Amino acid sequence: AQSVTQLDSQVPVFEEAPVELRCNYSSSVSVYLFWYVQYPNQGLQLLLKYLSGSTLVKGINGFEAEFNKSQTSFHLRKPSVHISDTAEYFCAVSSIYTDKLIFGTGTRLQVFP
Amino acid sequence: GAGVSQSPSNKVTEKGKDVELRCDPISGHTALYWYRQRLGQGLEFLIYFQGNSAPDKSGLPSDRFSAERTGESVSTLTIQRTQQEDSAVYLCASSPSRKNTGELFFGEGSRLTVL
Repeated sequence: AQSVTQLDSQVPVFEEAPVELRCNYSSSVSVYLFWYVQYPNQGLQLLLKYLSGSTLVKGINGFEAEFNKSQTSFHLRKPSVHISDTAEYFCAVSSIYTDKLIFGTGTRLQVFP
Repeated sequence: GAGVSQSPSNKVTEKGKDVELRCDPISGHTALYWYRQRLGQGLEFLIYFQGNSAPDKSGLPSDRFSAERTGESVSTLTIQRTQQEDSAVYLCASSPSRKNTGELFFGEGSRLTVL
């Protein structure tokens, strides 16, 4: 079975500062990894994904994440955040053998002016 | 419609009543997922369908919960004899075939409040 841990429930940051949202996963088999974002009063949408190939993946809105197999991590980063990045961010994992997607508990990113 | 549609958007019910939540996936999407999101918590996997079969029902919390899907179309999540701990937002998502794109398209959810 797979599991995901997002250690930070909330991350406050000032506008234009860099941010990192942490995600660690557990799995005995190879995985696919995802970050989803939920803006206030909106549904979840895919931010980026790692399926195979380059371990550094780029997503929408200037976000990127790096897959680190040895540390079983998939941290999300952005070099300079905007007020509009305020949202809930969810890390998710699935085994490459199934379609079941398991989500973490989410990290609320609050960007202040 | 263009996206995943869920109804009702809001449902308030009394403890012990049955409720049905409906999901209309994006046309042509073969996979359909149900998740539960309790206040302040992450998304809890409930069940997913590939076509009208459910390969994985492991997330259904109890036998009060059931779900069905008609072909590759509408799905209904039914909760019998609701309890207060069932209060949550129930999210539906669909995918053309997740292994190809890795992307689920989510609806805006059905908020269930059990009094």
